[in-house]
Amino acid sequence: TQLLEQSPQFLSIQEGENLTVYCNSSSVFSSLQWYRQEPGEGPVLLVTVVTGGEVKKLKRLTFQFGDARKDSSLHITAAQPGDTGLYLCAGATPVDYKLSFGAGTTVTVRA
Amino acid sequence: NAGVTQTPKFQVLKTGQSMTLQCAQDMNHNSMYWYRQDPGMGLRLIYYSASEGTTDKGEVPNGYNVSRLNKREFSLRLESAAPSQTSVYFCAAKILSTDTQYFGPGTRLTVL
Repeated sequence: TQLLEQSPQFLSIQEGENLTVYCNSSSVFSSLQWYRQEPGEGPVLLVTVVTGGEVKKLKRLTFQFGDARKDSSLHITAAQPGDTGLYLCAGATPVDYKLSFGAGTTVTVRA
Repeated sequence: NAGVTQTPKFQVLKTGQSMTLQCAQDMNHNSMYWYRQDPGMGLRLIYYSASEGTTDKGEVPNGYNVSRLNKREFSLRLESAAPSQTSVYFCAAKILSTDTQYFGPGTRLTVL
């Protein structure tokens, strides 16, 4: 059983459209991270959110951390083919050194 | 500065064979991790080493052993490979005071 549930599992959209990926849990996290992974490579960190209610923007990507620090969302505005990839959320629990990963959302942006 | 490196990049084994996956980091990070990634299951933690000299089991440790050789190197050993261990294996490293993990490029392992 995944500690973090990501939805949707797959997302295929046309260039220029917007998309949102959700990451939900019943557990509280000290921080939540979003990674992006391209085929044949390891995940690369996009952002870390730490404070409940925090919103971070990275160009066309907006990341939100829920008030209760149990959930997060990633919103991409005007998606481009370069945004294609596997998006993974990961939660850090207080005290230990481990991350729990969601199963990932595969995003395909068609030109 | 290569970050986290893994060898080999690809490997095919027969059931029952053994092998060691190597991981090294040049970032002077304290903690190192081994994950496996399977379709639809995200990354699952096999073993981790919070600091040099310590190792602990993760979510899916059965069939694996690890060695934290020094601060830079953390190896993963499969003593008797099984087809269920066919997967992509990632090594990661992080500083003790943060949650950010830096990943290697992965080892794609097939067990026949």
